[in-house]
This record gives sequence, structure tokens and C-alpha cells, in this order.
Amino acid sequence: QVQLVQSGAEVKKPGASVKVSCKASGNTFTSYVISWVRQAPGQGLEWMGWISADNGNTNYVQNLQGRVTMTTDTSTNTAYMELRSLRSADTAVYYCARLKRGMDVWGQGTTVTVSS
Amino acid sequence: EIVLTQSPGTLSLSPGERATLSCRASQSVSSSYLAWYQQKPGQAPRLLIYGASSRATGIPDRFSGSGFGTDFTLTISRLEPEDFAVYYCQQYGSPITFGQGTRLEIK
Repeated sequence: QVQLVQSGAEVKKPGASVKVSCKASGNTFTSYVISWVRQAPGQGLEWMGWISADNGNTNYVQNLQGRVTMTTDTSTNTAYMELRSLRSADTAVYYCARLKRGMDVWGQGTTVTVSS
Repeated sequence: EIVLTQSPGTLSLSPGERATLSCRASQSVSSSYLAWYQQKPGQAPRLLIYGASSRATGIPDRFSGSGFGTDFTLTISRLEPEDFAVYYCQQYGSPITFGQGTRLEIK
């Protein structure tokens, strides 16, 4: 059974960067496409982008281009999402999810709080 | 970018009733790429339906999806207490977009 386990909550100051990890169980990580989705407090779901674990190809949402970088480490079955130049509007729960016939497996979420 | 509009914003029903949730797209969506999710407070979303009408693993058969083109529907045939939650539609073409959600609350 595939599981995605994310890193713990983060508190950052405006202008800082955050890097969230998402570790996958199982032996087929290189076949995964990992999406990142965020949810601001009381709001809906916002897709941020995806990364293909086998070749590192990425596709980012236009309004985050230049601030977000998604990477994978196939030696540890881990995906990463780094967001730079944080602002208060980036305060949200960040989820990773496997993109396979929809997003069929989700991490538990990582709360990122941006506050001075 | 395809904009998905869900209606109603809030649906108030009683256990045992039938729920019908709508998702309308700003342009045609390939049925292969339309999904529905359920989210409860403090939890990650859960995939219910993919490909517009296929149930995900472990999803009860009271959940069904239908539609094509720009109009899609999620139907819950007989509401159970655990079904009261927020539901999102999603199209997973490029770029991926979500609807704004429908809150299903107990009447």
C-alpha cells in the first residue's frame, strides 16, 4: 500500500524560504508523478505543480513560476517542494499527492505559517 | 485555464436522502480527466471518482459520477452520517484546476 509521509510544520518569516518533503513507501517511486496542492485557512484547494520522479520533468502553475522548485531524490523515494520569498498569503497546509487517475494517494499535509 | 464552478455552494440534507452536486467547466473537459474528492475537517482530500465515472479503490457504490463536456455530476444515493463533508471537482489536464467546493451539511 503506497503511503506518502510529509515533514513537520514550519513557521517562517516573510521573505524566507521553506522546503517540504514527501517520502513515499514502496519500490516504484520512479514511476510516480507527484503533485503539490495547497490550502489556505478556510479556503479551497490550489494546485501548485507536479514533478515526474523518473526524469525530473516539472510543470508549475503560472502564478508561482520563479518562486517554486520541485525536486525528487530517487535514492530515498522523497519528493521536495521549495517555496521562496514567502509572504503571508503563502500560509497554508501543503499536500503532496500521487497523480495517477486523479490524485489517488495523499500525504497528511504540512502546515506552513508565514508570520513576522 | 479551465475554470470549474461548483453548485450549490452549500447543500443541506438529511441522512438517507439523495445528494446531487454539480460541476460546470468553462470549456470542454476530457471525461478521462475529471475527478471528485471528499474532504473532512483536518484531513487530506480523498479521491472518490476519476475519469468522470469510475469509483476509486474502496469507495462505496452509493457514490457515482456522470457527465461529459462541460457538465459533470456527483451523486450520493443515500447519505450516511460520514458523508457530510466538502466535495471538490478537479480536472487534471494542464494546468490542473479545482472547483471551489460544495459543503454538504446535515439538515
